Amino acid sequence: GQQVMQIPQYQHVQEGEDFTTYCNSSTTLSNIQWYKQRPGGHPVFLIQLVKSGEVKKQKRLTFQFGEAKKNSSLHITATQTTDVGTYFCAGPVQGAQKLVFGQGTRLTINP
Amino acid sequence: DTEVTQTPKHLVMGMTNKKSLKCEQHMGHRAMYWYKQKAKKPPELMFVYSYEKLSINESVPSRFSPECPNSSLLNLHLHALQPEDSALYLCASSQDLVAGWPLHFGNGTRLTVT
Repeated sequence: GQQVMQIPQYQHVQEGEDFTTYCNSSTTLSNIQWYKQRPGGHPVFLIQLVKSGEVKKQKRLTFQFGEAKKNSSLHITATQTTDVGTYFCAGPVQGAQKLVFGQGTRLTINP
Repeated sequence: DTEVTQTPKHLVMGMTNKKSLKCEQHMGHRAMYWYKQKAKKPPELMFVYSYEKLSINESVPSRFSPECPNSSLLNLHLHALQPEDSALYLCASSQDLVAGWPLHFGNGTRLTVT
């Protein structure tokens, strides 16, 4: 079945360091979404990418969608303790009206 | 703050109990979802309602029974659950049942089955 692989599974950084998580799909995606889940919280929608090669920024967060629309990345510049949480990518399942989530990257930060 | 409200926040139930989880949204969204999330795992889709009709059932055991009384409400009825059903149950909604619309999640119900 269609899979969305996300790496790394865990990342621990010092506050102020950069962080990147990568998402790879086994099939071409019409769009990709990113969510953040704080510890003890619920997933919160961050952004959606639709176009091939698209790059979007939200303050210190930069999201990219690959040219082939099969991979995506989220980069955080100069992490802060508020960035702690698990970041999930999610893409639509071909032929079905539902999303498949990546396994998530859990980010912890040493202040 | 979340625009999708779930109750209760926590629930402990025995394996012979019957309980219900409730979800409400007032964003005019036409698709509503139940997800199950185990610790350190992504959300796992259970059911999808579109325009108050069950659209997707991900082969969920019959001890979980969804209900959509109207466009704003979604319930999940629980009966004869097993300890392995302990998890965070998340309700979500989206503008429509097209995978391009983002999901708005509620705070979830943390369920423990004893």
